[in-house]
Amino acid sequence: NAGVTQTPKFQVLKTGQSMTLQCAQDMNHEYMSWYRQDPGMGLRLIHYSVGAGITDQGEVPNGYNVSRSTTEDFPLRLLSAAPSQTSVYFCASSYSGPYGYTFGSGTRLTVV
Amino acid sequence: SQQGEEDPQALSIQEGENATMNCSYKTSINNLQWYRQNSGRGLVHLILIRSNEREKHSGRLRVTLDTSKKSSSLLITASRAADTASYFCGGSGGSNYKLTFGKGTLLTVNP
Repeated sequence: NAGVTQTPKFQVLKTGQSMTLQCAQDMNHEYMSWYRQDPGMGLRLIHYSVGAGITDQGEVPNGYNVSRSTTEDFPLRLLSAAPSQTSVYFCASSYSGPYGYTFGSGTRLTVV
Repeated sequence: SQQGEEDPQALSIQEGENATMNCSYKTSINNLQWYRQNSGRGLVHLILIRSNEREKHSGRLRVTLDTSKKSSSLLITASRAADTASYFCGGSGGSNYKLTFGKGTLLTVNP
């Protein structure tokens, strides 16, 4: 099993550009989530999904879109990047029920 | 708003000592989870305690949960330099689909 795979690992964007952060898992997990981590802020939930075709907003959803067309993939789209979106982004997945989440290794995004 | 709030923000101890970190949460939870993050890496799940449990052990880890106080503690016994990391608690309601975290405790274990 590869676990949770995030691509790219690093990205630099200019303000106003769009991009998609990819996340894929091969564990047949129902639940998938996106987090951003900023210094001193811990992890904040952006969007999450409970299954293919079902997504919902987390704590900080503004400026981000998600979709879940398959169980395996959960891409995060930045529509118009802003410097405030400079952060490290983590994707995570889990089975439904009392199970821990498996995290990807993160994407470090810088918006200039 | 974030579910868990860890205390202290930073903790520095000597190898062999015990480390205790606390977590308070705001809303009712179905389970509470603890994770470790080494610098620059993703989070690694350590232990999960359900809302109907009061204490749980896993190796050198001991977790307690007090739902009346909306608080949890993580005890790491006989700490090692390799335990140096940030530790996060996360609370989940429902069927575990919305896990939110606090800001974490940075643990430094000095050799």
